[in-house]
Amino acid sequence: EVQLVESGGGLVQPGGSLRLSCAASRFIFSNYWMHWVRQAPGKGLVWVARIRGDGTSTEYADSVKGRFTISRDNAKNTLYLQLNSLEADDTAMYYCARGPSGSGWSSFDYWGQGTLVTVSS
Amino acid sequence: DIQMTQSPSSLSASVGARVTITCRASRSISNYLNWYQQKPGTAPRLLIFAASTLQSGLPSRFSGSGSGTDFTLTISSLQPEDSATYYCQQSYNTPPLSFGGGTKVEIK
Repeated sequence: EVQLVESGGGLVQPGGSLRLSCAASRFIFSNYWMHWVRQAPGKGLVWVARIRGDGTSTEYADSVKGRFTISRDNAKNTLYLQLNSLEADDTAMYYCARGPSGSGWSSFDYWGQGTLVTVSS
Repeated sequence: DIQMTQSPSSLSASVGARVTITCRASRSISNYLNWYQQKPGTAPRLLIFAASTLQSGLPSRFSGSGSGTDFTLTISSLQPEDSATYYCQQSYNTPPLSFGGGTKVEIK
């Protein structure tokens, strides 16, 4: 079955940076859009960013635009999220999730277990 | 941006009860609506896509309906393992791929 495993979370001071990774396996990674979705403690789900299978198109939520960068390495089957200028409101569990391939239906059909980012001094 | 509003925010029902959760979009999204289930401490999982198509392998007591702006998720006979938070999500207007605020379902 499809597997997504996030890593890279941790405690960081306000204004700091972090890079999250999501290792994908058991599917043709380069064929699929990939997303990051976050969830603040006790709160709901918020979409953060997405990237096309070939890496040529990216989009972001307004709340992270200019601070976060989504990227991927299809040779390594790995998705990344670079988090810069972190704020307390960025504290959340960050999930990677698989999107559609080609013209397939747009949903998040597989999710990783999440990696926790805590922004605090 | 399209806003997604779920109701109720929480509910409590007995095993065997029929449960309905509503999701409303701020403008028409055709059938571009997905539902997710999230149990405490775990990642969400896709339940229903395209408003009414049940994800493979999931029990048939879950069903979805609706089109345009109004959607429902129904659990026909609530089971103890259905205790979770349920989220709707629109995939019509991208970005952002917005979620509803969630409905927490508890077993009486």
